[in-house]
Amino acid sequence: NAGVTQTPKFRVLKTGQSMTLLCAQDMNHEYMYWYRQDPGMGLRLIHYSVGEGTTAKGEVPDGYNVSRLKKQNFLLGLESAAPSQTSVYFCASRSPQGVSGANVLTFGAGSRLTVL
Amino acid sequence: AQKVTQAQTEISVVEKEDVTLDCVYETRDTTYYLFWYKQPPSGELVFLIRRNSFDEQNEISGRYSWNFQKSTSSFNFTITASQVVDSAVYFCALRSNTGKLIFGQGTTLQVKP
Repeated sequence: NAGVTQTPKFRVLKTGQSMTLLCAQDMNHEYMYWYRQDPGMGLRLIHYSVGEGTTAKGEVPDGYNVSRLKKQNFLLGLESAAPSQTSVYFCASRSPQGVSGANVLTFGAGSRLTVL
Repeated sequence: AQKVTQAQTEISVVEKEDVTLDCVYETRDTTYYLFWYKQPPSGELVFLIRRNSFDEQNEISGRYSWNFQKSTSSFNFTITASQVVDSAVYFCALRSNTGKLIFGQGTTLQVKP
């Protein structure tokens, strides 16, 4: 089924550990986004990408790195996890403006990360 | 800098009441897009509407209507005759022409029977 797939769905880390969240989309979308959702804070943009090989910082990029080596994948890395990074992470993708569906973000189901 | 503010954190209404969710945005771009998304208790995010900065026409879709006013940088969302199934978190979002897309803090709407 076409869509956005996030792995893993759940993860518990200890402070200082590293991990990578994978976002994969099979819709040939150019734009991809990583958000975190925290109670009372809404969805905050971490990083985004407007195409393969490009990345840009969002509102809360510190402590995260991303890579877009392949168009279909957008990886979010935590090099040294901190309790403040406990959150639900959402990946999303869309087509560029002018292409059908460009205005609709397709979201993944979310990844719940707990840092102890 | 871009910013989206949803000042109402939580709203509680009784079924059949009308309710308006406020959204105020800031941007220096002349071309931009505004969105509303719904997040029901199941957690997925559902697209509701998009408006571009050149289209100030209000829109109605069933019980939903949207009021876009550039003069006040607002994009408010009204639900008429609310129903219990409308209970959800609603997000307003702003996308610049560079592709950056940010969301407001969200408004939790509770519709009581």
